[in-house]
Amino acid sequence: NAGVTQTPKFQVLKTGQSMTLQCAQDMNHNSMYWYRQDPGMGLRLIYYSASEGTTDKGEVPNGYNVSRLNKREFSLRLESAAPSQTSVYFCASSDYPNNEKLFFGSGTQLSVL
Amino acid sequence: QQQVKQSPQSLIVQKGGISIINCAYENTAFDYFPWYQQFPGKGPALLIAIRPDVSEKKEGRFTISFNKSAKQFSLHIMDSQPGDSATYFCAASKDNFNKFYFGSGTKLNVKP
Repeated sequence: NAGVTQTPKFQVLKTGQSMTLQCAQDMNHNSMYWYRQDPGMGLRLIYYSASEGTTDKGEVPNGYNVSRLNKREFSLRLESAAPSQTSVYFCASSDYPNNEKLFFGSGTQLSVL
Repeated sequence: QQQVKQSPQSLIVQKGGISIINCAYENTAFDYFPWYQQFPGKGPALLIAIRPDVSEKKEGRFTISFNKSAKQFSLHIMDSQPGDSATYFCAASKDNFNKFYFGSGTKLNVKP
């Protein structure tokens, strides 16, 4: 089982460029999440999708959009990248109704110059 | 404002020693407290978790101690091994677990 797969693993953008981070899970989980990880800040929730067709804001949603394409896929879009969005991005999924355990992908390291 | 405060930021322990990482929270509505372990280049993975109706939970060499009145919880790693070297995150959640609030992380280095 692949679990949670994120692409790309690394990306360098220039300020103002746009890009989409892709995430797919093969565990038939209902809930999916996007987190960002910054030194000294831990992981902060950007957006989540409790089920197919729904999305909600997390702690730090500004500058991001998401799409729950189907039950497997949850993408994160940066419309106009800023240096403050340089971070490591993690996608995660969990299994409704027992959402206690998050399954994380291996991350996307994004640098915005 | 960070909902969960974690300390220390880094920790060096000799092989066979006890590693202790502490976390504190303010929101009394939190009712689930997991610890995640992260190795370099990997995503975090659930290590152990506790609910506030118990004061301690043990799984192998890993123990969570929970103090509800003080709003604090800690991870103890007994007989620490070099393979335990990783970054550890505490977290807290409430209700339907859609939002987890993570601590800032502790980088543990276990010396052989």
